[in-house]
Amino acid sequence: GAGVSQTPSNKVTEKGKYVELRCDPISGHTALYWYRQSLGQGPEFLIYFQGTGAADDSGLPNDRFFAVRPEGSVSTLKIQRTERGDSAVYLCASSLGLAGVYEQYFGPGTRLTVT
Amino acid sequence: GDSVTQMEGPVTLSEEAFLTINCTYTATGYPSLFWYVQYPGEGLQLLLKATKADDKGSNKGFEATYRKETTSFHLEKGSVQVSDSAVYFCALYNTDKLIFGTGTRLQVFP
Repeated sequence: GAGVSQTPSNKVTEKGKYVELRCDPISGHTALYWYRQSLGQGPEFLIYFQGTGAADDSGLPNDRFFAVRPEGSVSTLKIQRTERGDSAVYLCASSLGLAGVYEQYFGPGTRLTVT
Repeated sequence: GDSVTQMEGPVTLSEEAFLTINCTYTATGYPSLFWYVQYPGEGLQLLLKATKADDKGSNKGFEATYRKETTSFHLEKGSVQVSDSAVYFCALYNTDKLIFGTGTRLQVFP
């Protein structure tokens, strides 16, 4: 079956611009996670959705970052006033429930470059 | 806060050599522990996991044992193959999120 998909695969934007990154989870997966992976680092937790609500957004670095999941399926990560330090690969993962119990399935990521 | 430390790479081995990638963790409570693998050009995949002390996770010839006394979860394989070349991430799960180490690149040569 279809896995987690993310669009776009690559995004280049200028400093100060607004970007949206999209995640399509596996059908039926209620839990959805966003991570950020900088070069040479492991994925860093950003936010976790259970259904439509953000159950834990403690990893969002500041108020320029925001994520939604209005219908409990597709999620969009939104970054305002992008900075060069936002350049990274943004990963999305979904699972049937909590990541400690159910396997997380990762998407291929969106590589964001802020020039 | 919770954290994971794993050995720096790259680890370079010849085919059929024995592999160990060290991983230690710091956490409150009793986290679940994981190894994820990222093959070239592919997304992260779960390799194995262990949910409590002394559990051994295993998959594709890889093994790791949850050692609470040493707070470790070292990854081992008795005989690596070229196809095992990838980046390996140790991770823990605690209070609804995964926390990853920095990753260890493994390169296996024929």
